[in-house]
Amino acid sequence: GESVGLHLPTLSVQEGDNSIINCAYSNSASDYFIWYKQESGKGPQFIIDIRSNMDKRQGQRVTVLLNKTVKHLSLQIAATQPGDSAVYFCAENWVSSDFNKFYFGSGTKLNVKP
Amino acid sequence: EAQVTQNPRYLITVTGKKLTVTCSQNMNHEYMSWYRQDPGLGLRQIYYSMNVEVTDKGDVPEGYKVSRKEKRNFPLILESPSPNQTSLYFCASKKGAGAFYEQYFGPGTRLTVT
Repeated sequence: GESVGLHLPTLSVQEGDNSIINCAYSNSASDYFIWYKQESGKGPQFIIDIRSNMDKRQGQRVTVLLNKTVKHLSLQIAATQPGDSAVYFCAENWVSSDFNKFYFGSGTKLNVKP
Repeated sequence: EAQVTQNPRYLITVTGKKLTVTCSQNMNHEYMSWYRQDPGLGLRQIYYSMNVEVTDKGDVPEGYKVSRKEKRNFPLILESPSPNQTSLYFCASKKGAGAFYEQYFGPGTRLTVT
């Protein structure tokens, strides 16, 4: 989940298990939410997104759930693999005719044990 | 290959010495953005541009300048760098200035200011 400070929260899972990564967002006016994966030494990579008028979206092995009532976003990864080990960030995109801003969570490190 | 490129990838400089980090994308994207990433804080948006000659402040613009004279390029300028600007910087782009477009990130520039 979210973290303030220097240490990333870490989620350790066994290979083949399901992973759930949580994120609390701050702006109820945000239109669009995105999950990114960042591997060591690389830039963030898009995983899945969801619009504010949806509560669930599924991709290949990943599902994003959005609960606007409590401003909570989660990423579920099915059958987690060693290649899923990375830092995962949620982001919210706040858009109007005058601006288009992104706000990122502080990240969760996913550690997949073989 | 569709990509966002940044140069340099690594830079060590001294306080007060002006520097520019270049960013270029070959996808004809309208929207470009700069982020900085610090341990435990996720990514924070510095500046963004919704189109040529249109730039706007993100969350942490102090000490930075940008320009968008051409669609493909979005350089980040530090007129007088200070040690608190030591960070990992990412440039990103997406197709449109509206919401719901996937954002593509560059490989990052690690800047150290002594």
